[in-house]
Amino acid sequence: SQQGEEDPQALSIQEGENATMNCSYKTSINNLQWYRQNSGRGLVHLILIRSNEREKHSGRLRVTLDTSKKSSSLLITASRAADTASYFCATDEKYGNKLVFGAGTILRVKS
Amino acid sequence: GAGVSQSPSNKVTEKGKDVELRCDPISGHTALYWYRQSLGQGLEFLIYFQGNSAPDKSGLPSDRFSAERTGGSVSTLTIQRTQQEDSAVYLCASSLSSAREWEDTQYFGPGTRLTVL
Repeated sequence: SQQGEEDPQALSIQEGENATMNCSYKTSINNLQWYRQNSGRGLVHLILIRSNEREKHSGRLRVTLDTSKKSSSLLITASRAADTASYFCATDEKYGNKLVFGAGTILRVKS
Repeated sequence: GAGVSQSPSNKVTEKGKDVELRCDPISGHTALYWYRQSLGQGLEFLIYFQGNSAPDKSGLPSDRFSAERTGGSVSTLTIQRTQQEDSAVYLCASSLSSAREWEDTQYFGPGTRLTVL
């Protein structure tokens, strides 16, 4: 069963605007990761946040984690057309062997 | 260095035929994962190899699916008697280690798009 559930399912914004995607999960985790996927092919790792961290930054990316609400958000600031992709959260379960991926958010950035 | 590679990139087969998909992980990575992604969906975990340990096969959808990893490196995912619902992109990923206390990033291959007619 899916662990992470992203919302919205799809997001369309203008270049330069910020994009926020949310992820909710169900069980205890070691960490939560965000990945990007272009054109339905391989995924690229973006950022990892540990269960004892609340916020993390990487370039134009900002990730927050609220373990009490079992939720995370990914903020992309000053979006570019090249940010158009699907974004997935994945949870590294505390008592599992594998990452569990959500269904993803499709982001479209219009230039 | 080279990333994860997969072959073939595309495979079209007829219902009932067997297919083999190959994954070459990053050299030195001990953990290898197979996922399946149906059109517009998230990733579905299939199987996981870690070193010489017994693989975690908990995600394999039926006994028509099997995978092996020879010499701790290359892996082959085999689907026997393919069905139309097997059509999907099959993604392989490898990571340096999956020890629980480590932060483990998975590096994905480009995937194999399987179409069963």
